[in-house]
Amino acid sequence: EVQLVETGGGLVQPGKSLKLTCATSGFTFSNAWMHWVRQSPEKQLEWVAQIKAKSNNYATYYAESVKGRFTISRDDSKSSVYLQMNSLKEEDTAIYYCTWEGDYWGQGVMVTVSS
Amino acid sequence: DIQMTQTPSSMPASLGERVTISCRASQGISNYLNWYQQKPDGTIKPLIYYTSNLQSGVPSRFSGSGSGTDYSLTISSLEPEDFAMYYCQQYDSSPLTFGSGTKLEIK
Repeated sequence: EVQLVETGGGLVQPGKSLKLTCATSGFTFSNAWMHWVRQSPEKQLEWVAQIKAKSNNYATYYAESVKGRFTISRDDSKSSVYLQMNSLKEEDTAIYYCTWEGDYWGQGVMVTVSS
Repeated sequence: DIQMTQTPSSMPASLGERVTISCRASQGISNYLNWYQQKPDGTIKPLIYYTSNLQSGVPSRFSGSGSGTDYSLTISSLEPEDFAMYYCQQYDSSPLTFGSGTKLEIK
């Protein structure tokens, strides 16, 4: 059974950092292209970042809204993908989901940026 | 970025009713269009990929169609578990973009 479990969310002040983890199982993670997608309080879904597999040189891509502040990475030995979020803004408040190419999704983790 | 305009934003409907949700892209997306269902607990379930292909395990009452810029999701006969949020998403070009969602509510 494919499983994706996000952790690391919470309440953080503007300008601070947070790192999300998505632990996966049930599929060959090392070959998988992984994404982070977030959902605002207004329920709008927004793609955040993608990381490809080793065979694609771990290429990464970002939404303009997070470029230069967020970093996606992966550890194939742990079947996990990460999202390092720096210089957080109030508008980054959202539920963050990891997804394997849109076919499988985690349950999401809440990130609240507020003073 | 490709803008996805999804209509309606909410739709009251009855059990057994046939409903259609529409999604219009700001430019042609060559059928690279997915549909997702989101339940109130936040769980996101893929329904349809490449416009009209059902994901494994999705009931046949769900169907998708469209081409060019205009796409639609149809549920032929509503079941209680179908009352949820629905989103379209294009993957023709980066960044991936989503419609604003349709809340299917019990009338």
